[in-house]
Amino acid sequence: QSALTQPASVSGSPGQSITISCTGTSSDVGSYNLVSWYQHHHPGKAPKLMIYEVSKRPSGVSNRFSGSKSGNTASLTISGLQAEDEADYYCLSYASSSTWVFGGGTKLTVL
Amino acid sequence: QVQLVESGGGVVQPGGSLRLSCAASGFTFSSYGIHWVRQAPGKGLDWVAFIQYHGNDKRYADSVKGRFTISRDNSKNTLYLQMNSLRVEDTAVYYCAKDLAGGSYSIDYWGQGTQVIVSS
Repeated sequence: QSALTQPASVSGSPGQSITISCTGTSSDVGSYNLVSWYQHHHPGKAPKLMIYEVSKRPSGVSNRFSGSKSGNTASLTISGLQAEDEADYYCLSYASSSTWVFGGGTKLTVL
Repeated sequence: QVQLVESGGGVVQPGGSLRLSCAASGFTFSSYGIHWVRQAPGKGLDWVAFIQYHGNDKRYADSVKGRFTISRDNSKNTLYLQMNSLRVEDTAVYYCAKDLAGGSYSIDYWGQGTQVIVSS
């Protein structure tokens, strides 16, 4: 159950687009279209679901957020960056061990 | 609206035990699987355990298997996490989180978390 690999940090200016990658293995990301993404502003506050099943957006989540997957790597793209997008982002994948595994998290800074 | 409220956190010595609770409201608790997820200080989210809606299917991260037990009481809309043989590395904020269901294997609602500190 090794953590999925995410970049520690990414940054972008308001209005730009950024992409956060989430790399796993053929036992998790590569085997299932069951990757979800969470926005977490700070510990003690509830994380928020942004994308589920690789590319589906829950009701109420801006269409500036999109997800995709290729092989063992899933990606979250945020277009038209806004100041309120600054947060930590985590991917989560179901795994062949019938458990779940998170990515290490990516800190997004809006410059 | 969906609410998940954790309680039971605190300070405990290494080797000790603690039981966390999570009171759920705003949805049909008995129809959904529930997860425990933790976040150690300065670290990322870490999946801990899951229990299916009926309570008969339980899954654990390797790091807690044999030490932690997840359970639920659907008559009380409450989830539990019994934590035994606690280690310093179990220090974290513990969140209960509702599974989205429908085969999505993702989490749609989270509680605010309860702090567990394991220290001598």
